[in-house]
Amino acid sequence: SQKIEQNSEALNIQEGKTATLTCNYTNYSPAYLQWYRQDPGRGPVFLLLIRENEKEKRKERLKVTFDTTLKQSLFHITASQPADSATYLCALDKDSGYSTLTFGKGTMLLVSP
Amino acid sequence: GAVVSQHPSRVICKSGTSVKIECRSLDFQATTMFWYRQFPKQSLMLMATSNEGSKATYEQGVEKDKFLINHASLTLSTLTVTSAHPEDSSFYICSAFAGRTDTQYFGPGTRLTVL
Repeated sequence: SQKIEQNSEALNIQEGKTATLTCNYTNYSPAYLQWYRQDPGRGPVFLLLIRENEKEKRKERLKVTFDTTLKQSLFHITASQPADSATYLCALDKDSGYSTLTFGKGTMLLVSP
Repeated sequence: GAVVSQHPSRVICKSGTSVKIECRSLDFQATTMFWYRQFPKQSLMLMATSNEGSKATYEQGVEKDKFLINHASLTLSTLTVTSAHPEDSSFYICSAFAGRTDTQYFGPGTRLTVL
């Protein structure tokens, strides 16, 4: 079955630095991969979607890469700010349905001033 | 655009009672909605897929008679937790699928506490 791995340890960085989060997956070839942000006690907020035929996608300070050979996606936040502190979830389409997602456990990012 | 609301945001109920949670897509139509539950420090676990006008598809291990789902219109899905028990206490989150962008947009979640 599908398996998604995100670093369970929190990532602590200083304001202004680039944060890089990793998402690895096995036993599947997703048609697309998504990144979401989740704040405590709130639902996830969609950030970026990258398709299997795309290697990189950018949105403002965010950049996502997708390596289907390594089965890995990297999520970068440049010029990080304390407001970027949150848990970031990686999700890929489930093998049982195109619109259905399987989520990783997420990585908490803490940006200190 | 792509706003999903969920109501109520918090609910406390007694064991044995039923609780209904509403999920609405406010500015787009969603033929497919999803219901998740999330325990502290855990990932979102898909409970069921709700398709407008048809029966919901439940994930393995989710009791369909306990978690009743109704997707009556293209903008509304409801989840009813029947005969709630303390172990049903959790954070329930819905999402609506926007086919135009292949993206799920999530509601703010409902914190259910069963005493």
